[in-house]
Amino acid sequence: GAVVSQHPSRVICKSGTSVKIECRSLDFQATTMFWYRQFPKQSLMLMATSNEGSKATYEQGVEKDKFLINHASLTLSTLTVTSAHPEDSSFYICSAQVAAGTTGELFFGEGSRLTVL
Amino acid sequence: GQQVMQIPQYQHVQEGEDFTTYCNSSTTLSNIQWYKQRPGGHPVFLIQLVKSGEVKKQKRLTFQFGEAKKNSSLHITATQTTDVGTYFCAGPDGGATNKLIFGTGTLLAVQP
Repeated sequence: GAVVSQHPSRVICKSGTSVKIECRSLDFQATTMFWYRQFPKQSLMLMATSNEGSKATYEQGVEKDKFLINHASLTLSTLTVTSAHPEDSSFYICSAQVAAGTTGELFFGEGSRLTVL
Repeated sequence: GQQVMQIPQYQHVQEGEDFTTYCNSSTTLSNIQWYKQRPGGHPVFLIQLVKSGEVKKQKRLTFQFGEAKKNSSLHITATQTTDVGTYFCAGPDGGATNKLIFGTGTLLAVQP
């Protein structure tokens, strides 16, 4: 199957700092990637759809200026949590589809666990 | 908006017992997907169902897609400790972006 790599897997930062999370498709090109957020023992909540070469599409209630998404190449999307606060602590997971524009299976990265002190 | 609910939220079984999780969508789905997330891990794709009334099997796992394409189920026969994890169903929202909406999930605990 396709491989999606996410880095870092864990990050601890101080309140007010910014954190960047990278998501790479290692063996395929992903014109679209999806960023999810997951709180403990809860489901995956879609935050935004990342489109290569264009602006991301954010879900209702997700702050664009808070969660900056950049999809500069066909294999890399980044999520930057700006001015992080303790309530931003969560598990962030990216995913991608091999076949763009379809509803085929999603391949997920390993996830990044963010803890904001 | 579209909602995808799963029941039960949590199930604790003895090893060897069967397990079933049910998935219900507020809207008709073009397809339904199932994912498994081990504790501390990330979701891994299990299967996709497309046809109304479709049934697919993977060893001890049986997946069904309802006739109305609004519900689905996952049944595990004779659970093993390796089945532990959270099972999510997911369906496309039907919009242009084809994004997947995940169900609320069912956490399965298996006692040896």
